[in-house]
Amino acid sequence: GEDVEQSLFLSVREGDSSVINCTYTDSSSTYLYWYKQEPGAGLQLLTYIFSNMDMKQDQRLTVLLNKKDKHLSLRIADTQTGDSAIYFCAESISNTDKLIFGTGTRLQVFP
Amino acid sequence: DADVTQTPRNRITKTGKRIMLECSQTKGHDRMYWYRQDPGLGLRLIYYSFDVKDINKGEISDGYSVSRQAQAKFSLSLESAIPNQTALYFCATSGTGGVYNEQFFGPGTRLTVL
Repeated sequence: GEDVEQSLFLSVREGDSSVINCTYTDSSSTYLYWYKQEPGAGLQLLTYIFSNMDMKQDQRLTVLLNKKDKHLSLRIADTQTGDSAIYFCAESISNTDKLIFGTGTRLQVFP
Repeated sequence: DADVTQTPRNRITKTGKRIMLECSQTKGHDRMYWYRQDPGLGLRLIYYSFDVKDINKGEISDGYSVSRQAQAKFSLSLESAIPNQTALYFCATSGTGGVYNEQFFGPGTRLTVL
């Protein structure tokens, strides 16, 4: 079945880059997403990548997709304290309108 | 005003009680979802509905039921709550247009079953 895995925690110093990794199992996923959950709030879409792309850049965010290894990563440049949150990767299962979410990575940014 | 609202935001109840969590949306979306979030387990899909007459089980539907009263309303019921249903519950919606399959989440309901 589908399974999306992430490491649970990441701690970085303010100003450094953060890299959050994700592995997924459904090779037919059409879109892959990164959602951000701030404390006490629901998830919000941060960015996404279509499965025929290798990389997508959006300001401080860079998404890399390695389809061969089924590996997705999110790089946040110049990480700020406001980036502290839980980050979820998700895959869109082909021929359905469901998303499968990963376990979430809690990013902590310290001064 | 928030596009996806959930009531209540917090609820403490006892084992065996019936509980209803409500979700309303003003986005005009046809698709609505209920998830639960547990630490280290991410979000797991409980039920989803693609329109008013459509209800589908997700991966963890046992012990839960849903009702789609209108396009804008989707409620989740726990017929007889048990402690391992203590979790954070999220409602979400999605529609056509925009980013494919982007889901919009409510603020969550924290449920504690004693």
